[in-house]
Amino acid sequence: QLQLQESGPGLVKPSETLSLTCTVSGGSISSSSYYWGWIRQPPGKGLEWIGSIYYSGSTYYNPSLKSRVTISVDTSKNQFSLKLSSVTAADTAVYYCARHPERAAAGTVWGQGTLVTVSS
Amino acid sequence: QSVLTQPPSVSAAPGQKVTISCSGSSSNIGNNYVSWYQQLPGTAPKLLIYDNNKRPSGIPDRFSGSKSGTSATLGITGLQTGDEADYYCGTWDSSLSAGLFGGGTKLTVL
Repeated sequence: QLQLQESGPGLVKPSETLSLTCTVSGGSISSSSYYWGWIRQPPGKGLEWIGSIYYSGSTYYNPSLKSRVTISVDTSKNQFSLKLSSVTAADTAVYYCARHPERAAAGTVWGQGTLVTVSS
Repeated sequence: QSVLTQPPSVSAAPGQKVTISCSGSSSNIGNNYVSWYQQLPGTAPKLLIYDNNKRPSGIPDRFSGSKSGTSATLGITGLQTGDEADYYCGTWDSSLSAGLFGGGTKLTVL
């Protein structure tokens, strides 16, 4: 059974770069037809799609975050990663990784989510 | 403010039926599949409906989805207290080349 697990610092200082990794287990990140994405949810608010990547490296990003976001994939480690630069308190959120078909926001498989707080 | 518009809240009594709407445009709902997610408090979202009206394995047929033009609807029949959750619609936007979620709807089962 495919599982996703987010990992990374739970506290990031303002103006620094948030870095998270999603480890895929129970299946290969190189499987065709699926994209690997990041979604976040500020406390008490709704879901926001951040971006996604195909195992070949092709990416899509939320236009409102595009200038600060980089998503990368490491097929040898069965992982994909998120980097969000120049963070502010507004970037405080639970960050989820998820697998989804092409041209979809998300799918059946989600990580449990990890809370990242931006604070000095 | 989300590109996909959902009502902030809906409510109904146990056993009754409720519908949740999701309104978009031709660049998103109008030309792409819609999915629906249920988020129970403190948990990750769970896929309820994909490709407008398909249910993943294990999702009861009390949950249904439909799409017409640039709007989609989630229906839940035989409401149970365990259905109290936030519900989100999601789709792709062909103009933005990006995924989208609605603002979410909180379902209260009175």
